[in-house]
Amino acid sequence: EAGVVQSPRYKIIEKKQPVAFWCNPISGHNTLYWYLQNLGQGPELLIRYENEEAVDDSQLPKDRFSAERLKGVDSTLKIQPAELGDSAVYLCASSPRTGGPYNEQFFGPGTRLTVL
Amino acid sequence: GENVEQHPSTLSVQEGDSAVIKCTYSDSASNYFPWYKQELGKGPQLIIDIRSNVGEKKDQRIAVTLNKTAKHFSLHITETQPEDSAVYFCAASISFGNEKLTFGTGTRLTIIP
Repeated sequence: EAGVVQSPRYKIIEKKQPVAFWCNPISGHNTLYWYLQNLGQGPELLIRYENEEAVDDSQLPKDRFSAERLKGVDSTLKIQPAELGDSAVYLCASSPRTGGPYNEQFFGPGTRLTVL
Repeated sequence: GENVEQHPSTLSVQEGDSAVIKCTYSDSASNYFPWYKQELGKGPQLIIDIRSNVGEKKDQRIAVTLNKTAKHFSLHITETQPEDSAVYFCAASISFGNEKLTFGTGTRLTIIP
């Protein structure tokens, strides 16, 4: 079974430029998460999707960040414009809806963003 | 909201010895506690988890204990091997892992050959 796929793996941009990250979750996984991981810290949730609906975006800085999950499969996270403080690793995770109460979150390798 | 604290931030142990990482959480409603291992350049990978109705769980060389009264849980790795070297994160969830995971700050474990 293929894991969560993310691209690009690395991105270097100048501040004020836009950037986009793409995630393909594990096949059949209904729930998709975007996490932000700063250096030396644990991941922090940015947004959670159930199929194509964003059910928790309370931690997403909406002035510059946006996300979409068209057709309830792939997802794109965008930053426009990027700031120096946005340098971090952006992780995508997915989990199945098995009907049971516990769901493991499977993480992708992340996109390391550097803003100069 | 939930707050998870993790200690120590770094840990070095001789190969073959045991390693223990401890976490505390603040929200008594938390009911699911996974542990993730993150190797350099990779995403976190689940290694073991424990639910609030269980006090201890073991999987080969890895075990996790949970004390709901004290709101803390620990990861125990026995007979450590060089491939155990990585960053380990604890996490807590109030929704059985279906929603938000709140992570600790991580422990960098180094196994000394």
